[in-house]
Amino acid sequence: AQTVTQSQPEMSVQEAETVTLSCTYDTSESDYYLFWYKQPPSRQMILVIRQEAYKQQNATENRFSVNFQKAAKSFSLKISDSQLGDAAMYFCAYFLGNEKLTFGTGTRLTIIP
Amino acid sequence: DTEVTQTPKHLVMGMTNKKSLKCEQHMGHRAMYWYKQKAKKPPELMFVYSYEKLSINESVPSRFSPECPNSSLLNLHLHALQPEDSALYLCASSQAGGRGTDTQYFGPGTRLTVL
Repeated sequence: AQTVTQSQPEMSVQEAETVTLSCTYDTSESDYYLFWYKQPPSRQMILVIRQEAYKQQNATENRFSVNFQKAAKSFSLKISDSQLGDAAMYFCAYFLGNEKLTFGTGTRLTIIP
Repeated sequence: DTEVTQTPKHLVMGMTNKKSLKCEQHMGHRAMYWYKQKAKKPPELMFVYSYEKLSINESVPSRFSPECPNSSLLNLHLHALQPEDSALYLCASSQAGGRGTDTQYFGPGTRLTVL
């Protein structure tokens, strides 16, 4: 069974600084998808970034980028120029294509003004 | 437009009540999902509908009854719930089948409290 591990329950960063959230996963598959979702106190689960495993190029979305290391099964999220609105719970998720999204336990990110 | 809507936002019900949660999307997605999320935990999958047919039931108790009347609408009927069923209920949708149909888009959730 696939598992997703987020080893940092909580992180904090100074506003305008850069922070990296860690995620590792376990799978024997070669073709899959990885996601970072953000869940602010408003509760809505918002897609931050998506990575296809067969693509070697790391995905980027504005201030958000990933470091995808397929051999190491690592998928970290870097947030540059952190803003107060980035404060949220961040979930890493794995998807094989069988409709089941496997989530990590989440990392709560606090932005310090 | 990647909007999934859910009503109501909040629901308080007694253990003998019958209520329903509603989810709607107009993105042409053919897969829809119900998740249950307890505080400070990740979402847990409950049901998946693909092309209006139930494709996954994660051994959810029968007091939760899903319904997919059409490709845009997903309901969750609640009956004889227990206090431990209090949680945030999230709906999501995605395209179904083929590469690039993986991304699930979530609604804002319904906060359910069972007294």
